[in-house]
Amino acid sequence: GAVVSQHPSRVICKSGTSVKIECRSLDFQATTMFWYRQFPKQSLMLMATSNEGSKATYEQGVEKDKFLINHASLTLSTLTVTSAHPEDSSFYICSASSKGSSYNSPLHFGNGTRLTVT
Amino acid sequence: GESVGLHLPTLSVQEGDNSIINCAYSNSASDYFIWYKQESGKGPQFIIDIRSNMDKRQGQRVTVLLNKTVKHLSLQIAATQPGDSAVYFCAENPGAGTALIFGKGTTLSVSS
Repeated sequence: GAVVSQHPSRVICKSGTSVKIECRSLDFQATTMFWYRQFPKQSLMLMATSNEGSKATYEQGVEKDKFLINHASLTLSTLTVTSAHPEDSSFYICSASSKGSSYNSPLHFGNGTRLTVT
Repeated sequence: GESVGLHLPTLSVQEGDNSIINCAYSNSASDYFIWYKQESGKGPQFIIDIRSNMDKRQGQRVTVLLNKTVKHLSLQIAATQPGDSAVYFCAENPGAGTALIFGKGTTLSVSS
């Protein structure tokens, strides 16, 4: 149980274009989803917290107009990197917490999306 | 801000040895901790967790120890196998509805 699916696993785009990454909870309802970014040989850094039906909360230093997050349903959240630049190249990972779960329960993660901006 | 850190960036062991990966956390208010394993190109995979009302928890081949006095967490892997080679992260949950805070990661390399 508690499977989180992320798509695509890899994407290459040209500078200036936008890319959408999807995060789905396959067998549970995710009231909250978290988006992380991970640079090579570094840890996961939280970008934003997304609650179903409300605006995402962004961490300091993360541009909300550049990283658009939509969490329109209990099973889907999307992250759109707008006007991507090479410095946005990174590994983006989502995680989800299920409706009704205690915060003392492990988050489950998607398998990440490797974004390369050329 | 407060964050979870790790003592060693890399650990190399022989197959069959026991491995110990350490983590120091700074948020004394955190009361739930998780160890994740991340293989190359994949998302973090849950290994084991522990709540602050415990000081030890065992799973299959893995044990997590928590020392709240010195804010230290460790992951012990028994009879380490080549398939255990990965990056290991500790993470803390500082409160309800908040995201996990990850440590810097330790790369475990297991040689046959």
